[in-house]
Amino acid sequence: DSGVTQTPKHLITATGQRVTLRCSPRSGDLSVYWYQQSLDQGLQFLIQYYNGEERAKGNILERFSAQQFPDLHSELNLSSLELGDSALYFCASSVDGRSSYNSPLHFGNGTRLTVT
Amino acid sequence: SQQGEEDPQALSIQEGENATMNCSYKTSINNLQWYRQNSGRGLVHLILIRSNEREKHSGRLRVTLDTSKKSSSLLITASRAADTASYFCATGLRHSGAGSYQLTFGKGTKLSVIP
Repeated sequence: DSGVTQTPKHLITATGQRVTLRCSPRSGDLSVYWYQQSLDQGLQFLIQYYNGEERAKGNILERFSAQQFPDLHSELNLSSLELGDSALYFCASSVDGRSSYNSPLHFGNGTRLTVT
Repeated sequence: SQQGEEDPQALSIQEGENATMNCSYKTSINNLQWYRQNSGRGLVHLILIRSNEREKHSGRLRVTLDTSKKSSSLLITASRAADTASYFCATGLRHSGAGSYQLTFGKGTKLSVIP
């Protein structure tokens, strides 16, 4: 068990809808990362938050947004969903302090999103 | 965009044999990490090697890093059926300031270990 919790595990929704994915990081970890995994694109980095602030942005669409709350949990919001958004969405956390950047990421088990 | 590229994309071996997977990358890094993913599950961290290290061992795993060639390899010795999974290399780069760290994954090598 990585200590990272993602909910829900599965999500089935229709095109045009909006969903929210939730992530609770490992206790003590300040950074949260979101990744999208699809068969054709592999594991794509979306966005990173550190202690409530956005720190890095990857291939995140404008229809997607995220935030990290004061209790360090994070939410990824996906709107105007398209068929191509169907994928596994992973959250990962790490300590990621100023002197601990050489630290591994701990992944949750993901949310499988199916857009029909 | 992908930073690491694993080779081969798929590998099938008999139980007891060694498995070697390679990773090449393009830009400078602070560290390189290897992860394992069982089908449909989250990734599990295996080993991290810093840019100033050349080799690292963990149990049956051996990782090498050649920063001059921008490449790394993961060797799994005496493979077992339970090692069947996808293996990903990921390059880590720290930017200035705390929490400014990006980990970029390759597309992975799918390893099948036949009992």
